[in-house]
Amino acid sequence: KNEVEQSPQNLTAQEGEFITINCSYSVGISALHWLQQHPGGGIVSLFMLSSGKKKHGRLIATINIQEKHSSLHITASHPRDSAVYICAVEETSGSRLTFGEGTQLTVNP
Amino acid sequence: GAGVSQSPSNKVTEKGKDVELRCDPISGHTALYWYRQRLGQGLEFLIYFQGNSAPDKSGLPSDRFSAERTGESVSTLTIQRTQQEDSAVYLCASSNRYTQYFGPGTRLTVL
Repeated sequence: KNEVEQSPQNLTAQEGEFITINCSYSVGISALHWLQQHPGGGIVSLFMLSSGKKKHGRLIATINIQEKHSSLHITASHPRDSAVYICAVEETSGSRLTFGEGTQLTVNP
Repeated sequence: GAGVSQSPSNKVTEKGKDVELRCDPISGHTALYWYRQRLGQGLEFLIYFQGNSAPDKSGLPSDRFSAERTGESVSTLTIQRTQQEDSAVYLCASSNRYTQYFGPGTRLTVL
């Protein structure tokens, strides 16, 4: 069974700061997902990675397959980035996701 | 195009009653997933459908839980003889194999 750990659990930042959220997993995977859950509960998929790095706007996600580790970075953070960020892995392509516990991010103006 | 939809958005029921939750996936998505999120906790996998293959039911917490999917369309999650610990948000997602798209969830409260 894959264990997915995220750090930190909670993160408070000032607007404009560079933010990093980390995720590590224990067993080989076919892909890793970063999800964003808004205060109202809706979940949005941010990235799906199987190698390397992806960028979308101010968000950057990287993965190191050998080290079983991924990071999500937010540049020039803004209060609207406040949400829970969830790392999830799929062990084989298209299969179920195993989730981390999430990181609660609060960005203060 | 339309995203994943779920109904009802909220359901309050009495302990011991059966409930049925519905998920309409994105058209053309062959994979469909059900997850559960209890208050203050992380997401848990329940069941996964992929095309005509046998579903992966390994996440269902007890035999009171069951799910069906008609072809590659609607899915229903049924909880029989509901218990208070079943109270949670039940989320459905469908996938085009690359990204999972989540529905808004059904908030189930068992009194």
